[in-house]
Amino acid sequence: RKEVEQDPGPFNVPEGATVAFNCTYSNSASQSFFWYRQDCRKEPKLLMSVYSSGNEDGRFTAQLNRASQYISLLIRDSKLSDSATYLCVVNFPTGGFKTIFGAGTRLFVKA
Amino acid sequence: ETGVTQSPTHLIKTRGQQVTLRCSSQSGHNTVSWYQQALGQGPQFIFQYYREEENGRGNFPPRFSGLQFPNYSSELNVNALELDDSALYLCASSLKTSVTTDTQYFGPGTRLTVL
Repeated sequence: RKEVEQDPGPFNVPEGATVAFNCTYSNSASQSFFWYRQDCRKEPKLLMSVYSSGNEDGRFTAQLNRASQYISLLIRDSKLSDSATYLCVVNFPTGGFKTIFGAGTRLFVKA
Repeated sequence: ETGVTQSPTHLIKTRGQQVTLRCSSQSGHNTVSWYQQALGQGPQFIFQYYREEENGRGNFPPRFSGLQFPNYSSELNVNALELDDSALYLCASSLKTSVTTDTQYFGPGTRLTVL
């Protein structure tokens, strides 16, 4: 089992749609969680951190469920500019520190 | 922009050669992490440096090594290059405290091609 697994993509949605991404992680000692966005041939950029209480930033909502070891990202009212790869990221201590990225889920938003 | 810079932008090497990639961290950050991203995959954690010492390592062989300098900039060295080492190498800086490690901010990456 991979340490971090994401929904396989791609997701093809029309503008205005709501889309949800899920990500599961295997290490229960994981400490911090993030969603990053990566455009083609560019570096990953932080979208948002993920907290147990859930957090929202405009059209984006992230949730963490520690008991079930998964995190989610909801995008409402999709825009063409949301087309990108969304990466789930988990940090956990392991004789130091380790960051694991999911393989990413590609989103295409079409007019 | 994140303020994290990497050099060079692109690099072409041949099998068996050695390469050094460089990263300057964002002002105020004390930690640098290095990642390898092959085409179509997520970034793979190579290692992290904190206060000039390796603070965690992924599943990469010893021919991948690094350094962090007193100004928190960092180098990634790869010896005996193999064709599979062709990838985008990303550096990320962050601020580590005694409690946790803050968000990582990425540089633009170095694209390495091994022929």
